[in-house]
Amino acid sequence: EPEVTQTPSHQVTQMGQEVILRCVPISNHLYFYWYRQILGQKVEFLVSFYNNEISEKSEIFDDQFSVERPDGSNFTLKIRSTKLEDSAMYFCASTLDRGGSPLHFGNGTRLTVT
Amino acid sequence: EDKVVQSPLSLVVHEGDTVTLNCSYEVTNFRSLLWYKQEKKAPTFLFMLTSSGIEKKSGRLSSILDKKELFSILNITATQTGDSAVYLCAVGMDSNYQLIWGAGTKLIIKP
Repeated sequence: EPEVTQTPSHQVTQMGQEVILRCVPISNHLYFYWYRQILGQKVEFLVSFYNNEISEKSEIFDDQFSVERPDGSNFTLKIRSTKLEDSAMYFCASTLDRGGSPLHFGNGTRLTVT
Repeated sequence: EDKVVQSPLSLVVHEGDTVTLNCSYEVTNFRSLLWYKQEKKAPTFLFMLTSSGIEKKSGRLSSILDKKELFSILNITATQTGDSAVYLCAVGMDSNYQLIWGAGTKLIIKP
């Protein structure tokens, strides 16, 4: 069964550094998402992406965050200058259509900011 | 404010017991309700519900939605230790691309 794949599985970075989290969504999917989950807390929506542009973003997704689909397969989340509170699991998800299909999640990237 | 509330927050039962997990919601422009199982990492999809009163079943798991009373339940019969996980409920809306997530129910099945 096709999967959403994310790399790396764990990233440790120092405060203030830039990180790029990578995702390869399922190939025929059209809608892409980033979520995050701080340890022990709810899954939080960050951003959705469709037709090569952001379709929606949450309050968490401020100017420090950006997303890109550089080559038709990868979908990346960049955090420009990481803060301690950015430490979380970051999940990429994709779906075929927004109305009728569930999200398929990747296994996540654990980001630790020190 | 849109919200999804799950109960109980945690539940410990013995193998073989039946459990019922609850999810209530208040959202504008409801589209669908989804149940996910989260073990160590990413949530894995269980059910998507859009219509009231139609039970969805998959093995020992079943779920139903009540759009009048704004809640859903997830039932697990004859529980096994492998059912131990956090069960997440999420609601999708027509108005936007987000899913609104509940905090989850942590289910522990004791042998």
